[in-house]
Amino acid sequence: AQKVTQAQTEISVVEKEDVTLDCVYETRDTTYYLFWYKQPPSGELVFLIRRNSFDEQNEISGRYSWNFQKSTSSFNFTITASQVVDSAVYFCALYTGANSKLTFGKGITLSVRP
Amino acid sequence: EPEVTQTPSHQVTQMGQEVILRCVPISNHLYFYWYRQILGQKVEFLVSFYNNEISEKSEIFDDQFSVERPDGSNFTLKIRSTKLEDSAMYFCASSEANGGLVNEQFFGPGTRLTVL
Repeated sequence: AQKVTQAQTEISVVEKEDVTLDCVYETRDTTYYLFWYKQPPSGELVFLIRRNSFDEQNEISGRYSWNFQKSTSSFNFTITASQVVDSAVYFCALYTGANSKLTFGKGITLSVRP
Repeated sequence: EPEVTQTPSHQVTQMGQEVILRCVPISNHLYFYWYRQILGQKVEFLVSFYNNEISEKSEIFDDQFSVERPDGSNFTLKIRSTKLEDSAMYFCASSEANGGLVNEQFFGPGTRLTVL
């Protein structure tokens, strides 16, 4: 069975602080994909990144970076120099080839204070 | 940029009524999905649909639910007799491919269903 754990529920930081959102996943499949989605207060789900299980390279996109470590089954997300607009709920999700659904974690509510 | 659209954005209904939530997936996508998010909770998979039939469904997707692709563009979720606990945000998603060739699932903006 697939499982995604986001142990942090709420994080509050002051603007310009760096913040890391943790994600731990479980799957027996050797081929899988990991995703991060952002859900701002308006409610839509915004795709941030996809990473497949064969690509452990870390990725940086502007202020966002992702650290994928298969050894610890983790796919953590770091926001550098956070901004108020980063305030949202962030979901980590897992997809395996064995089925066609995304399994989401419970989400982390990030509040960035001015 | 192509996007998934959903209508209505907010639906209010009385318990026991039927509702139909509508989605227009991205035009060249082949796989369609419905997810549900009860307020303050995680996003949960309901059903996936490919080639005019259900590929997979979760335990949430009981006999009260059905999906249909009535024409070449729309993808609908019907709840036959709504219950209070059906109140949630319903997201439609579509993707180009499945299995080993995975692209991200593009999500629509959601329909907030309120059952009174």
